[in-house]
Amino acid sequence: GENVEQHPSTLSVQEGDSAVIKCTYSDSASNYFPWYKQELGKRPQLIIDIRSNVGEKKDQRIAVTLNKTAKHFSLHITETQPEDSAVYFCAASLGTYKYIFGTGTRLKVLA
Amino acid sequence: DGGITQSPKYLFRKEGQNVTLSCEQNLNHDAMYWYRQDPGQGLRLIYYSQIVNDFQKGDIAEGYSVSREKKESFPLTVTSAQKNPTAFYLCASSRKTGAGTEAFFGQGTRLTVV
Repeated sequence: GENVEQHPSTLSVQEGDSAVIKCTYSDSASNYFPWYKQELGKRPQLIIDIRSNVGEKKDQRIAVTLNKTAKHFSLHITETQPEDSAVYFCAASLGTYKYIFGTGTRLKVLA
Repeated sequence: DGGITQSPKYLFRKEGQNVTLSCEQNLNHDAMYWYRQDPGQGLRLIYYSQIVNDFQKGDIAEGYSVSREKKESFPLTVTSAQKNPTAFYLCASSRKTGAGTEAFFGQGTRLTVV
């Protein structure tokens, strides 16, 4: 069935370094790939998304890349700050309003 | 103030009891979802609805039931048939488009079986 694998499950980086989280999806028909950030005790919130007709998208310190051939997409955070510490979820959608989420990555930015 | 609201924030249930979690949105979204969040397992889809009076099972629907009588509301009932109901439950909604769109989440309900 449909599946999204996310790695790593935990990631610790020094403040100012970059962080990369990778996801792989199984259904080649997926056409929408959002990334959500969930701070402790709060709801997940969208931070960036990409559609299948685009290879890369950037928003300040955050970027997402998509490789449709390999069926994987990645989140890149540059110049990390303590407030970036959170759980990050990737997801894939087939445009049928059904999102399949990855298992999450707990990012810790060490001051 | 537009958004999606879940209630209650915390809920305690005795074994063998059914309990209903509320989810209301005023975003005029067609699609609504229920997810279960357990540590280390991400967000798993329980049920989703694309339109009023219609809903589909997700990956872990057993022991749960839903209704969609109004566009704004998508309540989830956790029945006594759900063997391990203690978890964090998240409701979400999104616009109905063909190319995928942002899902907005409620603040969640933490259910504990005592």
